[in-house]
Amino acid sequence: AQTVTQSQPEMSVQEAETVTLSCTYDTSESDYYLFWYKQPPSRQMILVIRQEAYKQQNATENRFSVNFQKAAKSFSLKISDSQLGDAAMYFCAYRSFFTGNQFYFGTGTSLTVIP
Amino acid sequence: DAMVIQNPRYQVTQFGKPVTLSCSQTLNHNVMYWYQQKSSQAPKLLFHYYDKDFNNEADTPDNFQSRRPNTSFCFLDIRSPGLGDAAMYLCATSKFAGATNEKLFFGSGTQLSVL
Repeated sequence: AQTVTQSQPEMSVQEAETVTLSCTYDTSESDYYLFWYKQPPSRQMILVIRQEAYKQQNATENRFSVNFQKAAKSFSLKISDSQLGDAAMYFCAYRSFFTGNQFYFGTGTSLTVIP
Repeated sequence: DAMVIQNPRYQVTQFGKPVTLSCSQTLNHNVMYWYQQKSSQAPKLLFHYYDKDFNNEADTPDNFQSRRPNTSFCFLDIRSPGLGDAAMYLCATSKFAGATNEKLFFGSGTQLSVL
């Protein structure tokens, strides 16, 4: 199984400020997908953003963007203009492009947004 | 709306009493997954089906079984639940390996308590 590491168990950010969540992963594959999922207190996980490893351009979805450093095997999530609704657990996930269907998750970062 | 539905939302069982959790999907996705998520931990993949092809993770205990009678439904059977099996169980689906917009769709989960 691939290893996904999130080294920040908890983070906090002031409303309207910017926060960056870190994720590193271990793989020998050249093609894969990376994801950030959000799990609010209601528990249903939803996709925030995805990145294909073969794309050099960093993915962006409105206030959410990633910094994908393939050589460093790093995939951080930047949340700009943080809102109260951004408070949740954030999980980084990895999926091989060619081999298997498994998605592997990191241990998560709990984000608190301070009004 | 197409979605992944898990029933029940909360399930209570007794130590050693078999229990079945259910998941259905209207997305017509090929792959269905079962994840176990304990409090403040990463979702842990138990197994998945690619169509009728069952794929067990190496560290999934024999106590956990799964059935997929058709494309839409997938069941998680816990033959003899122990106290350590109390967790949130998440069902998820995805299209198929290599899909260009590959991502996981999650259900709301079933919170299992073992008394």
